[in-house]
Amino acid sequence: EAQVTQNPRYLITVTGKKLTVTCSQNMNHEYMSWYRQDPGLGLRQIYYSMNVEVTDKGDVPEGYKVSRKEKRNFPLILESPSPNQTSLYFCASSYRDRGGEKLFFGSGTQLSVL
Amino acid sequence: GENVEQHPSTLSVQEGDSAVIKCTYSDSASNYFPWYKQELGKRPQLIIDIRSNVGEKKDQRIAVTLNKTAKHFSLHITETQPEDSAVYFCAASTNAGGTSYGKLTFGQGTILTVHP
Repeated sequence: EAQVTQNPRYLITVTGKKLTVTCSQNMNHEYMSWYRQDPGLGLRQIYYSMNVEVTDKGDVPEGYKVSRKEKRNFPLILESPSPNQTSLYFCASSYRDRGGEKLFFGSGTQLSVL
Repeated sequence: GENVEQHPSTLSVQEGDSAVIKCTYSDSASNYFPWYKQELGKRPQLIIDIRSNVGEKKDQRIAVTLNKTAKHFSLHITETQPEDSAVYFCAASTNAGGTSYGKLTFGQGTILTVHP
């Protein structure tokens, strides 16, 4: 089954404690990205990756890191989480057809930073 | 960069009525406009999209219209059903049909509630 697997679904942590949210896709997509969803602000892109070892900042990259060592995996790293990073996070992989980017989202990670 | 504004933020309709959600975009170079639906507790999923060389696209009870001159596009849902209740996001990007990555900029989302 084609899917984007994201873990964990829920995470409660404290300020300053490093954490990683994993993301894996089995569709051989070149593009992967991370979004955060906050009420009234929609989905905002954090980072994206166009291929292995190629990553770039999205609209809200401060406080986050990513890596793309393998095509299928794109983890999101919070080196020193702060309460303003409490949010719902989605990983997505995508492919392009002649229409545009078609995103496939993971199931989301609800993060609370105390 | 691109800015997408979406209205209304909440929309409540009776089953069987029509619902319309509107988005405006700022970058005249944007040429691809998808809509995503997110049911409660679920992930967003693509439901319909349109390219700028097309003025309207329809898929059963949903349709999207695009006005390039005014830089706005809309989602129309007819004969609404309770299962249409969800958050709907519009988005815009450039470089449709190209070979490089086309970053999507999303609107703020509309919570649609369909009352039985």
